[in-house]
Amino acid sequence: DVKVTQSSRYLVKRTGEKVFLECVQDMDHENMFWYRQDPGLGLRLIYFSYDVKMKEKGDIPEGYSVSREKKERFSLILESASTNQTSMYLCASSQPGQTNEKLFFGSGTQLSVL
Amino acid sequence: GDSVTQMEGPVTLSEEAFLTINCTYTATGYPSLFWYVQYPGEGLQLLLKATKADDKGSNKGFEATYRKETTSFHLEKGSVQVSDSAVYFCALSDKGGSEKLVFGKGMKLTVNP
Repeated sequence: DVKVTQSSRYLVKRTGEKVFLECVQDMDHENMFWYRQDPGLGLRLIYFSYDVKMKEKGDIPEGYSVSREKKERFSLILESASTNQTSMYLCASSQPGQTNEKLFFGSGTQLSVL
Repeated sequence: GDSVTQMEGPVTLSEEAFLTINCTYTATGYPSLFWYVQYPGEGLQLLLKATKADDKGSNKGFEATYRKETTSFHLEKGSVQVSDSAVYFCALSDKGGSEKLVFGKGMKLTVNP
């Protein structure tokens, strides 16, 4: 089965730090996504990528950037972390065009910015 | 823009109770509709989907029917188990696949023995 691995389960950072969240998938999927999950707000798309070095903004890209240098790896970067970026971050991947296309999610990274 | 509105809960049920989680959507085209489930400590996983009107998705005893006339995709299960305790998300995609899914806010379900 597809495995989507996020590098950290819990992360604590200080305001102003540069933060890297890493995500790796092992099924050669073309699409990769970063969402944040907040109570009462559900999941909101930050960025997605449909190919190496390609990226598109989601609904809430402000304060974030992404990097996809290799097909299997999609990094989310917080250039200068702020307290309002405390959240659960979920990475996902999918292969477009399949009959049973669906998103595969990682277990999430709970980021606390102090 | 596209949007999904679902019951937010939290909801607590006893084992073997009937479950309905309401979900309605707004979309300009003919979206595909999904239910994802998030068990404690895990990422989301697809529970079921439907891609056109009157389609019924089903999995693990859960069912949902794509109702275009009422723009709804309500999730039902006849007899819930403790293992069904999770957060349930309704979602849509106007591109038919997994690109840019729009999620509802999620509903936390707790099932007590």
